[in-house]
Amino acid sequence: AQKITQTQPGMFVQEKEAVTLDCTYDTSDPSYGLFWYKQPSSGEMIFLIYQGSYDQQNATEGRYSLNFQKARKSANLVISASQLGDSAMYFCAMRDHTGFQKLVFGTGTRLLVSP
Amino acid sequence: DAGITQSPRYKITETGRQVTLMCHQTWSHSYMFWYRQDLGHGLRLIYYSAAADITDKGEVPDGYVVSRSKTENFPLTLESATRSQTSVYFCASSDRQGALTFGSGTRLTVV
Repeated sequence: AQKITQTQPGMFVQEKEAVTLDCTYDTSDPSYGLFWYKQPSSGEMIFLIYQGSYDQQNATEGRYSLNFQKARKSANLVISASQLGDSAMYFCAMRDHTGFQKLVFGTGTRLLVSP
Repeated sequence: DAGITQSPRYKITETGRQVTLMCHQTWSHSYMFWYRQDLGHGLRLIYYSAAADITDKGEVPDGYVVSRSKTENFPLTLESATRSQTSVYFCASSDRQGALTFGSGTRLTVV
């Protein structure tokens, strides 16, 4: 069965600093997708970034980048130049390839950005 | 407006009552999902659907029923609500390749 592990319940970072949120995954499927979502205090789930298992390069979206280390089965999210608005819960998720697009989520990391 | 909408946003119900959470999407996405979010568990999949009239169980389906007679609607019914079903429920949809897009969630309290 597929599993996502986020070992950091909470992280603190100062504004303008970079922060890395950890995510490890477990799957026997050679083809999979990895996602990060942000959930601010308002509650909505916001898609941030996607990495396919066959992608040669690490995904980047603005200040977000995904540090994909396939051999270590890790997909850490790096947020550069943190902003106060980055304070939120962050979820790592994996899509299996049964063809039904389901996502399996980790338990999340709460990030707090301080001035 | 285009998007995915859930209703109601908040619901309080009593133990044993039947309650239905509604989900409507305007993109004609094939895939739709119901997740519940609980502290310490992240989001767990309740049911999903690949198309109209095609549904299947997820990780935590007990006590829930879904239907999908039309592509755009995917209601979730709690047949006899229990306190353990107090949670935030998210509906989501996706096309064949894209990420899941989530609704705003329904906060359900069972008393």
